[in-house]
Amino acid sequence: EIVLTQSPGTLSLSPGERATLSCRASQSVSNNYLAWYQQRPGLAPRLLIYSASNRATGIPDRFTGSGSGTDFTLTINRLEPEDFAVYYCQQYDYSRTFGQGTKVEIK
Amino acid sequence: QAQLVESGGGVVKPGGSLRLSCEASGFNFKDYYMAWIRQAPGKGLEWISYITSGGTIEYYADSLKGRLTISRDNAKNSLYLQINSLRAEDTAIYYCATDWGAFEIWGQGTMVTVSS
Repeated sequence: EIVLTQSPGTLSLSPGERATLSCRASQSVSNNYLAWYQQRPGLAPRLLIYSASNRATGIPDRFTGSGSGTDFTLTINRLEPEDFAVYYCQQYDYSRTFGQGTKVEIK
Repeated sequence: QAQLVESGGGVVKPGGSLRLSCEASGFNFKDYYMAWIRQAPGKGLEWISYITSGGTIEYYADSLKGRLTISRDNAKNSLYLQINSLRAEDTAIYYCATDWGAFEIWGQGTMVTVSS
């Protein structure tokens, strides 16, 4: 099983700032089969990024995914009020597993 | 637009069973792998199962293997999850989602509470 470890657990930032979220895999994720999701309170998760760096349909370009192998990053430029949420990474190289999540909260 | 609607959740006693349903609309359901993902209260997301588009191959998380059965009826645009021998730790929101590796379309979830 590929274990995904996200850091930090919580990120406290102000609107307009940049958020940098990390996702580290216990072994290499082939073909960059890694996705990122946003979950706002009380709602289902929403796919943001797939294949490490491709934005899903309708996702604003302030969301950027990068990385390969075992280290992946989600960057959110110019945080908007609606971006304060929990973010999960997920790999689909070997079965499927999620990271434990990073909460982006208002400072 | 594409939509998934789960149903079948509720309060169940430990040791009981439950069958969850997920009805799809607005897209070609029969062309998609489908998955179930759950989220315990205040916790993260846990993938638990997926099934191929034709329903011929099923995959389960090791932690739940033996207690779950995923199935689908493409004629009814529906996905199902049978959960047996329910335990308190199975208390969660259960989501269905389209699965091409990443989970693109999600339902709103159905709550399962295991309690005596």
